[in-house]
Amino acid sequence: ETGVTQTPRHLVMGMTNKKSLKCEQHLGHNAMYWYKQSAKKPLELMFVYNFKEQTENNSVPSRFSPECPNSSHLFLHLHTLQPEDSALYLCASSQERTSLSVGQFFGPGTRLTVL
Amino acid sequence: QKEVEQDPGPLSVPEGAIVSLNCTYSNSAFQYFMWYRQYSRKGPELLMYTYSSGNKEDGRFTAQVDKSSKYISLFIRDSQPSDSATYLCAMTLSGGYQKVTFGTGTKLQVIP
Repeated sequence: ETGVTQTPRHLVMGMTNKKSLKCEQHLGHNAMYWYKQSAKKPLELMFVYNFKEQTENNSVPSRFSPECPNSSHLFLHLHTLQPEDSALYLCASSQERTSLSVGQFFGPGTRLTVL
Repeated sequence: QKEVEQDPGPLSVPEGAIVSLNCTYSNSAFQYFMWYRQYSRKGPELLMYTYSSGNKEDGRFTAQVDKSSKYISLFIRDSQPSDSATYLCAMTLSGGYQKVTFGTGTKLQVIP
């Protein structure tokens, strides 16, 4: 286990539904990330939170709404999604880089299917 | 032009073979170069990283960076079936929190 958990692991939703993805990290990190992983594409960075403040919104449609109540928890609220939003959604965390701390720790992902 | 180019594979090799995985990139400002391994139905896990140019070895794995050519490699010696996974290269600029640019990943299958 990487110390980053995600729930649910699988989610099927209709285009009119509202759902939320949850991420929790037990590593004491101060930065958390949402990525979208689609087949044959590189990981797409969606949002970054550093010390609970959103520092990056990578031109993500407003139907995706992140929330970071504290440094250990991250949510992704979903509403009126499109079928092309079907993908694996990965949460990651990291410590601000020092010479001893490089790389991000990923959760197992939520496999999202939009019907 | 993509910032990071990586052959998606799949790459099939017999057990015990030496595997070479590669990425090219276009941004000469990248300083940290990483390799992640992603098993099926799992998130990526950091395998190893290199700062700037040079080689780094960790057991059966060797990472190489050639900044002059904008080319990085991961070598796996004595490959095992448990090495079957998708390998993603990744890179980032110096300083601050880590905004990482990933390759598409190469799917590797090691056949017993």
